[in-house]
Amino acid sequence: EIVLTQSPGTLSLSPGERATLSCRASQSVNSNYLAWYQQKPGQAPRLLIYGASNRATGIPDRFSGSGSGTDFTLTISRLEPEDFAVYYCQQYGSLPRTFGQGTKVEIK
Amino acid sequence: QVQLQESGPGLVKPSETLSLTCAVSGGSISSNNWWSWVRQPPGKGLEWIGEIYHSGSTNYNPSLKSRVTISIDKSKNQFSLKLNSVTAADTAVFYCAGDDFQSGKVFWGQGILVTVSP
Repeated sequence: EIVLTQSPGTLSLSPGERATLSCRASQSVNSNYLAWYQQKPGQAPRLLIYGASNRATGIPDRFSGSGSGTDFTLTISRLEPEDFAVYYCQQYGSLPRTFGQGTKVEIK
Repeated sequence: QVQLQESGPGLVKPSETLSLTCAVSGGSISSNNWWSWVRQPPGKGLEWIGEIYHSGSTNYNPSLKSRVTISIDKSKNQFSLKLNSVTAADTAVFYCAGDDFQSGKVFWGQGILVTVSP
């Protein structure tokens, strides 16, 4: 099983600042099949990025994903008020599919 | 747009079987999607439970495999989850989802809270 470790656990930033979230895998993710989700309280997760760097339909271009192998990054270039939420990475290249433990982006 | 809706009891007694159904609308369950169940204990992260394809092929999380069954009913355009021998540790919001990552699409239900309690 691939273990995904996200860091930091919590990121305290102000609107307009840049957010950099990390997701590290315990072994290489097949074909860089790595997704990022955003989850707000009381809501289901929303797909942001798939295939490590492809934005899902309707996702603003301030969200970008990068990385390969075992190290992946989600960057939010300029935080908007609606971006404060919890973010999860998920690998779907191997079974079982696994999620990271999440990074909370909170308002400083 | 594909929409998913979970249904089932919100309260299950310890040692009993948790049964949930996910109704798919706006699209066919026989499309090129894997249909999965994910759970989230209160205040915690996401856990993948397992998935099914319209062919009936399934994959399960090894940590739950001995207690989980996912099935599909193409005539009703829905799929289901059974988790047996539940304990309080199984209390969670259960989400159903459908994904076609090749097309960059993932659909989620709104989630249903299932509490395991006497």
